[in-house]
Amino acid sequence: DQQVKQNSPSLSVQEGRISILNCDYTNSMFDYFLWYKKYPAEGPTFLISISSIKDKNEDGRFTVFLNKSAKHLSLHIVPSQPGDSAVYFCAASEKGTSGSRLTFGEGTQLTVNP
Amino acid sequence: DGGITQSPKYLFRKEGQNVTLSCEQNLNHDAMYWYRQDPGQGLRLIYYSQIVNDFQKGDIAEGYSVSREKKESFPLTVTSAQKNPTAFYLCASRDPGYGYTFGSGTRLTVV
Repeated sequence: DQQVKQNSPSLSVQEGRISILNCDYTNSMFDYFLWYKKYPAEGPTFLISISSIKDKNEDGRFTVFLNKSAKHLSLHIVPSQPGDSAVYFCAASEKGTSGSRLTFGEGTQLTVNP
Repeated sequence: DGGITQSPKYLFRKEGQNVTLSCEQNLNHDAMYWYRQDPGQGLRLIYYSQIVNDFQKGDIAEGYSVSREKKESFPLTVTSAQKNPTAFYLCASRDPGYGYTFGSGTRLTVV
């Protein structure tokens, strides 16, 4: 049962354009969502997060949008840069659960072409 | 510098052997986690520990064991019972909020 899904395994965009990565979830108890960026043979690094009480959070070039009714979130990167090329994981947490464990999506490989 | 150290970075194991992956953190975090990454499957939770001398099974605990004798250390043993152990293993710790810090991972290959 995949509670967090990233349906696009890969995305390719031109430098300077907007990258939009999507994530869907099924568990209505999730109340905190995070995006991580991962390079090959390295651990994921935190990018941006959003609480379920908000619908948008912005940090520099990165913006995360949350649509609770649709159980959908998206990460916008604008403008995209070649250094943004990496795998992006969406993750969700259910407040109050033991250990606040994160449930991850499958990841989306973003390639930004110069 | 505070962080999580995983060792070794690459590990080769013969079939039928147990192997232990090390994870050490100096962030003073109580909670620690082990995830496994396989292509196209994201990160799946193996075991986690919220406090010393306590740990819980994650979604794919079969064939793995852990211990948490010290706050700083959360080693993972991949036993011979794990049918498909070749994967990239990630250790993480969590601060009192939702902040996760990941180690750089260990790639385990069965030969």
